[in-house]
Amino acid sequence: QQQVKQSPQSLIVQKGGISIINCAYENTAFDYFPWYQQFPGKGPALLIAIRPDVSEKKEGRFTISFNKSAKQFSLHIMDSQPGDSATYFCASNQGAQKLVFGQGTRLTINP
Amino acid sequence: DTGVSQNPRHKITKRGQNVTFRCDPISEHNRLYWYRQTLGQGPEFLTYFQNEAQLEKSRLLSDRFSAERPKGSFSTLEIQRTEQGDSAMYLCASSMDVNTIYFGEGSWLTVV
Repeated sequence: QQQVKQSPQSLIVQKGGISIINCAYENTAFDYFPWYQQFPGKGPALLIAIRPDVSEKKEGRFTISFNKSAKQFSLHIMDSQPGDSATYFCASNQGAQKLVFGQGTRLTINP
Repeated sequence: DTGVSQNPRHKITKRGQNVTFRCDPISEHNRLYWYRQTLGQGPEFLTYFQNEAQLEKSRLLSDRFSAERPKGSFSTLEIQRTEQGDSAMYLCASSMDVNTIYFGEGSWLTVV
């Protein structure tokens, strides 16, 4: 049973544009929502994370928007660059010990 | 800080053979995790250690899988009698707190 649903599966954005990836979770007990970035052949790298007590968190060009009532959160990449081309995973904590991941979004930034 | 180190990075083995992967976590991280990732999918939790104690195991971790973390330092993941379905990337991760989890580069397993 998938507890975090991520969309879209793939996304193509022009350089300088805004990339938006969405996730929906089911378990209202989740209280930590990170996004990971993964390049081919590499492990996932923590990009940015948010807790449900805030609706938005921004770090540089990356912003998480969080909607607790809708049980949704999204990643926005402003001024997208070719170097941002990667697979992005949202995740939520399941219990205190582990993360459950979405299916991933392959992002391509066209120059 | 050298990050989470995993080896070997790649392993090709024949079906039925045993394989072992090693993970060296970030120093002073007391929590260590193993995840499995197949192509086009997100990582799936396998098991978790706090210090040397294995506190949780996923149902994905069949009896052929065993993980250890002697002395709460490095960890090993052994797969016995490998099957083609075991082909995946095995990711190790570590953390100081419950949430900020750092992953290694992964160990790719191909069972032929």
